[in-house]
Amino acid sequence: NFMLTQTHSVSESPGQTVTISCTRSSGNIASNYVQWYQQRPGSSPTTVIYEDKQRPSGVPDRFSGSVDISSNSATLTISGLKTEDEGDYYCQSYDRTSWVFGGGTKLTVL
Amino acid sequence: QVQLVESGGGVVQPGGSLRLSCAASGFSVNDFGIHWVRQAPGKGLDWVAFIRYDGSNQFHADSVKGRFSLSRDISKNTLHLQMNSLRPEDTAVYYCAKGPRVSGIPAAHYMDVWGKGTKVTVSS
Repeated sequence: NFMLTQTHSVSESPGQTVTISCTRSSGNIASNYVQWYQQRPGSSPTTVIYEDKQRPSGVPDRFSGSVDISSNSATLTISGLKTEDEGDYYCQSYDRTSWVFGGGTKLTVL
Repeated sequence: QVQLVESGGGVVQPGGSLRLSCAASGFSVNDFGIHWVRQAPGKGLDWVAFIRYDGSNQFHADSVKGRFSLSRDISKNTLHLQMNSLRPEDTAVYYCAKGPRVSGIPAAHYMDVWGKGTKVTVSS
C-alpha cells in the first residue's frame, strides 16, 4: 500500500490564494484519481474535488485541483479565500483493493 | 434528497461487538457502492471498508480484516457494519459514504455523499 502525505497546517488571509499539497509515497500519482474533501469543525466531510480536477455541483470555482507527475503529488488550490473555507482538507486516492486518505491539512483563514 | 444516516454507536468493552447501521434514502443501495470511514478523536480520516453495489464483494482495511464485516438489508435500504473483537484503537466516529456512478456505472473511487456519523467508544 501507498501513503499520502500532506502539510499539517497552512494559514492565509481572506482574499488570498492557498495551495495544499498531497504527495504519494509509491506508485504513480496519475495512475489513480485523487479526490479532496473539506471538513468544517463539527461536520462531516464533503467532496470539493473529485477525479483530480472535477468540481461537484455547488462547489465554487475558487476551488481547483491538479496533479504533477514530476513531484508525484496532487494540489488543491483555493483562491479568493473566505473565512468559511476554514477547516481540514483531506486528499484521497485508491488502488485495487484499498482506499487511502492523507493525514489532513488544517486551513486557517485569518 | 440523497441521505445517509448512521446509527448503532455506543460504548463497548474491549473484545466486545457492535453492529452499526447506515440507512439510505433518496437512492437504492442496490445501485451504489458504500464505504465506511472512521475518524478517531482529533485525528484524520481512516478508510475502513467498502461493499460493492451488488454485494458481490467487500474490501477491508488491514487494521479491521477478520474482525469487521459488511452486510446489506435491501428491503430496508440499509447497510450494516458488524464489528467484533473491538479494541480501544477502534474508538472513532464512523461514517458511511456513498460511491458515485460514472457514465451510469457504479464506481468506488471516491465518496460523494457522507452521513453525519455515529460514535463508537471502546473502553473498560
